[in-house]
Amino acid sequence: EAGVVQSPRYKIIEKKQPVAFWCNPISGHNTLYWYLQNLGQGPELLIRYENEEAVDDSQLPKDRFSAERLKGVDSTLKIQPAELGDSAVYLCASSPYGTSGMDEQYFGPGTRLTVT
Amino acid sequence: GESVGLHLPTLSVQEGDNSIINCAYSNSASDYFIWYKQESGKGPQFIIDIRSNMDKRQGQRVTVLLNKTVKHLSLQIAATQPGDSAVYFCAENIKNQGGKLIFGQGTELSVKP
Repeated sequence: EAGVVQSPRYKIIEKKQPVAFWCNPISGHNTLYWYLQNLGQGPELLIRYENEEAVDDSQLPKDRFSAERLKGVDSTLKIQPAELGDSAVYLCASSPYGTSGMDEQYFGPGTRLTVT
Repeated sequence: GESVGLHLPTLSVQEGDNSIINCAYSNSASDYFIWYKQESGKGPQFIIDIRSNMDKRQGQRVTVLLNKTVKHLSLQIAATQPGDSAVYFCAENIKNQGGKLIFGQGTELSVKP
């Protein structure tokens, strides 16, 4: 079974430029998560989707970050414009159910963003 | 060897020794806990989980202990191997907040051959 796929794996951009990350979750997984991970820290949730619906985006900085999961499968996370402090690893995860909170989340390899 | 979790983020052990990684969680409403292993350049990988109605769960070479009284979680790795070298995170799920996991800071485990 293929795992969570993310692309690109690495991205270097100048500040004020836009950037987008793509995630393909495990087939059949209804719930999709985007996390931000700073160096040496644990992942922090940005947004959670149940199918097409964003059910928790309270931690997403909406002035510059946006996300979509139009058909309830793939998802895109965008930053526009990027700031130096956005340099981090952006992780995507998926889980089969998610609503109970008691099921395993499977993580992708992440996209390492460097903003110069 | 033993780690105090958030206060000692690095643990170094000899190959073959047992490792104990500790984690303190904050919310008494947390009902589900997971240990993840993260190797350099990779996403977190599930190791073992435990629900709040249990105090111990065993897997292959790993055991998780949960002490709800003091809000403490530990991961024990038996016969630690070089391939166990990674950063280990505990994560808690807070009841009634869906699938939102709160991750701890992490402990880096280094295994000396």
